[in-house]
Amino acid sequence: QVQLVQSGAEVKKPGASVKVACKASGYTFTAYHMHWVRQAPGQGLEWMGRINPNIGGTNFAQKFEGRVTMTRDTSISTAYMELNSLKFDDTAVYYCAREVIEARFYDYWGQGTLVTVSS
Amino acid sequence: EIVMTQSPATLSVSPGERATLSCRASQSISSNLAWYQQKPGQAPRLLIEGASTRATGIPARFSGSGSGTEFTLTISSLQSEDFAVYYCQHYDDWTFGQGTTVEIK
Repeated sequence: QVQLVQSGAEVKKPGASVKVACKASGYTFTAYHMHWVRQAPGQGLEWMGRINPNIGGTNFAQKFEGRVTMTRDTSISTAYMELNSLKFDDTAVYYCAREVIEARFYDYWGQGTLVTVSS
Repeated sequence: EIVMTQSPATLSVSPGERATLSCRASQSISSNLAWYQQKPGQAPRLLIEGASTRATGIPARFSGSGSGTEFTLTISSLQSEDFAVYYCQHYDDWTFGQGTTVEIK
């Protein structure tokens, strides 16, 4: 069965970086784009970007351009999202989500990783 | 950038009643719309794709309609497990609406 399992909660100081992992299993990792979506406390869902695990190509929301990096390690079927220059309002739950091939919506989500930015 | 606007922000409904949620796009998005359900402490779950196609395992009481700029999610007879937040998403650029909370009246 398809599973996306994310790394554990993080606490970071303003200005630091955070790297969240999303380990995929139960399907061919390189065949599906992986997206990252975040949700601030009590707020809605915000798309951050996506990676094509086959070639490593990425697309980002304009808001995060220059501050986010998305990578993958195909040998361990894991996608990564790194966010730099953290601010207090980057405190959120970060989700990875699998994009259905040629359909663009999401069929599976990770469980979420809480990133707290605090001094 | 296409803006997705959901209404109402909160919908109070009694169990067994019908709930109608709306999502409006600032310009035409054809049928490239998905609906997701999110319960507290959980990741979202896909309900509807292509504006009207139920995802695998989704009960028939959930239905989606619309195209262009106006979309509707209808829950025909609310069950206790349906009280949650619902998001629409335009999946050409993956923009989400701000969500509608369906709460117990």
